[in-house]
Amino acid sequence: DAKTTQPPSMDCAEGRAANLPCNHSTISGNEYVYWYRQIHSQGPQYIIHGLKNNETNEMASLIITEDRKSSTLILPHATLRDTAVYYCIVRVTSGTYKYIFGTGTRLKVLA
Amino acid sequence: GAVVSQHPSWVICKSGTSVKIECRSLDFQATTMFWYRQFPKQSLMLMATSNEGSKATYEQGVEKDKFLINHASLTLSTLTVTSAHPEDSSFYICSAPRGFEQYFGPGTRLTVT
Repeated sequence: DAKTTQPPSMDCAEGRAANLPCNHSTISGNEYVYWYRQIHSQGPQYIIHGLKNNETNEMASLIITEDRKSSTLILPHATLRDTAVYYCIVRVTSGTYKYIFGTGTRLKVLA
Repeated sequence: GAVVSQHPSWVICKSGTSVKIECRSLDFQATTMFWYRQFPKQSLMLMATSNEGSKATYEQGVEKDKFLINHASLTLSTLTVTSAHPEDSSFYICSAPRGFEQYFGPGTRLTVT
């Protein structure tokens, strides 16, 4: 079973920040939090990942709570092309790279 | 960046026939690849882990005799859907890990008539 829960859908106005929450209350100390997104009928695309510190790259920021039981993906200036399903996944830091996908959040960016 | 390709991108076959889907890592070697299935408006479901030089590891509930996986080289894994039925119609996606990322293929849409 997936170890994450996410809201099924969210809307965001174009140009505004999109904040996508994820709950991973059973996360272990050796598990990373990964975020991917899937645009319709394509393979998932990597966005960002983190262990316990907040992370930022050219696509997004990842905020992980101090107890690591939840995280938020932030798209700072959402565009129409960011409309996709966003998946939050936890993965152990070594050994298998197996991903178990949860239901994800369907983000719709509105013009 | 690393690229994973799949072939074919879509296929239509008749019920009872077998279909082979290829997954290739184009610029890196992958001793492990993963196969997923995705039904419309649903999440990706992991089917199996493909291991180069050894047997695949199947997730619970996935029939290994129906979904044959072969990892013949460090850049190629194949999934064969045997005796396909309409309920096997789905979007099949493969992935390969490299570094800290998983690289996903573009998917193969299978329609069984």
